[in-house]
Amino acid sequence: AQRVTQPEKLLSVFKGAPVELKCNYSYSGSPELFWYVQYSRQRLQLLLRHISRESIKGFTADLNKGETSFHLKKPFAQEEDSAMYYCALSSFNKFYFGSGTKLNVKP
Amino acid sequence: EAQVTQNPRYLITVTGKKLTVTCSQNMNHEYMSWYRQDPGLGLRQIYYSMNVEVTDKGDVPEGYKVSRKEKRNFPLILESPSPNQTSLYFCASRGSGRTQPQHFGDGTRLSIL
Repeated sequence: AQRVTQPEKLLSVFKGAPVELKCNYSYSGSPELFWYVQYSRQRLQLLLRHISRESIKGFTADLNKGETSFHLKKPFAQEEDSAMYYCALSSFNKFYFGSGTKLNVKP
Repeated sequence: EAQVTQNPRYLITVTGKKLTVTCSQNMNHEYMSWYRQDPGLGLRQIYYSMNVEVTDKGDVPEGYKVSRKEKRNFPLILESPSPNQTSLYFCASRGSGRTQPQHFGDGTRLSIL
């Protein structure tokens, strides 16, 4: 069965520190993976998708099929990065979300 | 403005009283979906629709119904709500192509007493 695991419920870092939000998945095919973000009082929105290999707001995520991971990274966290982050997997038009990680960037 | 609109935003009701949460999108998207969000569980997909008159079950469809009579609308129906359906519900839509991003509504907070 498909499953997405985000092991950290809360991650606190200081401004300027590197940040890594972990995401592991279980899937028996070629996954389509996404990171969604929800800022306070805003809608859930797409941050990254693995297929485009892009960097958005300084965040990157690399798909590691060997480790079945899709960790989200940023070298220098900013206070405005504080938000709830969800990793998601798409399989044949179904979506599976992780339970989310709350990132708190302290000044 | 391109958006997904859900109504109502908040609803408190009682067990067994049928209710409908509406969802409308103005982006001409084929794909629409409903999720529920519960603490510690993230978002779980209830139903999705690939196009008009085409719907399918997600991970947690029990106790819910949907319909897709028009492309822009995808209502979520709780025929006989129960307290375990108290949750935050999100509607989303997506253009054609599996890697297209989903656009989410603001959410509907349902409390079933």
